[in-house]
Amino acid sequence: NAGVTQTPKFQVLKTGQSMTLQCAQDMNHEYMSWYRQDPGMGLRLIHYSVGAGITDQGEVPNGYNVSRSTTEDFPLRLLSAAPSQTSVYFCASSLVESSYNEQFFGPGTRLTVL
Amino acid sequence: QKEVEQDPGPLSVPEGAIVSLNCTYSNSAFQYFMWYRQYSRKGPELLMYTYSSGNKEDGRFTAQVDKSSKYISLFIRDSQPSDSATYLCAPWGAMDSNYQLIWGAGTKLIIKP
Repeated sequence: NAGVTQTPKFQVLKTGQSMTLQCAQDMNHEYMSWYRQDPGMGLRLIHYSVGAGITDQGEVPNGYNVSRSTTEDFPLRLLSAAPSQTSVYFCASSLVESSYNEQFFGPGTRLTVL
Repeated sequence: QKEVEQDPGPLSVPEGAIVSLNCTYSNSAFQYFMWYRQYSRKGPELLMYTYSSGNKEDGRFTAQVDKSSKYISLFIRDSQPSDSATYLCAPWGAMDSNYQLIWGAGTKLIIKP
């Protein structure tokens, strides 16, 4: 099992550019989510999905879109990049029926917006 | 007030010391209490979890929950340089149908050889 994979590992954008961060998992997990991690602020939930075709907003959704057409993939799209979106982005997945909701994380994407 | 409060540190201790990492939380409905460990430039990984109040031991690590005071602790005995990482607490309640974890800010731990 590859677990949760993310691409790219690093990205530099200019203000106003758009891009898609890719996330895939091969564990047949129903739940997938995107977080951003900034120094001193912990993990903040951007968007999440409890299954194919179902997505919802988290704590900080503005400026981001998601879609979930398959169980495996959950891409995150930045519509018009801003310097405030400079961060490390993590994708995570978990089994809905897990009693303690263990989340499995990808290696992260480091994004810089100039 | 945040739902989960955690001192971000950094906490620097000498090798072999006993380390105590702590979180407080506000929602009395939380039932599971997770500790994740995150090495530099990596994603978090589940270290251990406890259910309800009490202690749980796993090797050099002990997780403790006091629901009466809403206090979560992680103790590391005989700390090693390889324990240097950021530790995030994440309480969770099975009643939350959105399956969202509530995260502490994480405490950066540095073990000096």
